[in-house]
Amino acid sequence: GAVVSQHPSWVICKSGTSVKIECRSLDFQATTMFWYRQFPKQSLMLMATSNEGSKATYEQGVEKDKFLINHASLTLSTLTVTSAHPEDSSFYICSARGGGQPYEQYFGPGTRLTVT
Amino acid sequence: QKEVEQNSGPLSVPEGAIASLNCTYSDRGSQSFFWYRQYSGKSPELIMSIYSNGDKEDGRFTAQLNKASQYVSLLIRDSQPSDSATYLCAVNNSGYALNFGKGTSLLVTP
Repeated sequence: GAVVSQHPSWVICKSGTSVKIECRSLDFQATTMFWYRQFPKQSLMLMATSNEGSKATYEQGVEKDKFLINHASLTLSTLTVTSAHPEDSSFYICSARGGGQPYEQYFGPGTRLTVT
Repeated sequence: QKEVEQNSGPLSVPEGAIASLNCTYSDRGSQSFFWYRQYSGKSPELIMSIYSNGDKEDGRFTAQLNKASQYVSLLIRDSQPSDSATYLCAVNNSGYALNFGKGTSLLVTP
């Protein structure tokens, strides 16, 4: 149980274009979803928290107009990286809670974004 | 600033030995504690959760919590090369978010 999927698993895009990443909870209703970014050999960085049907809460320093988050249903959240630049290249990972204990988070497999 | 501290390692243990991973946290109000395992290039995987003082065992893993000392640890018995990974300690934060440590790299040598 508590399976989270992400799509795509990797994507290459050109500078200036937008990329959408989907995060789905497959066997539970995710009341909250989280988006993280991780650069090579660095720790997880929480970007934003989203609750179904409401606006995402962004962490300090994360541009909400650049990283658009939509949590339209209890099983789907999307992250859109707008006007991507090479410095946005990173490993983006979503997680979801709602499948177990209140604070337990289950991670998706991640999306590796490369901006050329 | 609420902190979760871990020794970055690498912690090197021989196969079959016990690996001991430690974590301290600053927020005395924290109630939920987690250990995640992250293989290189992969996303974190939840391996243990603990909510009350004492030990919690699950297979080869034992989590230990001491709220008075603000300390949580993970013991891995009979360590295997496949246990080589980065282990992340996480503590509940506000709004259901988790505060992650930077992780300890574990290397189990054959």
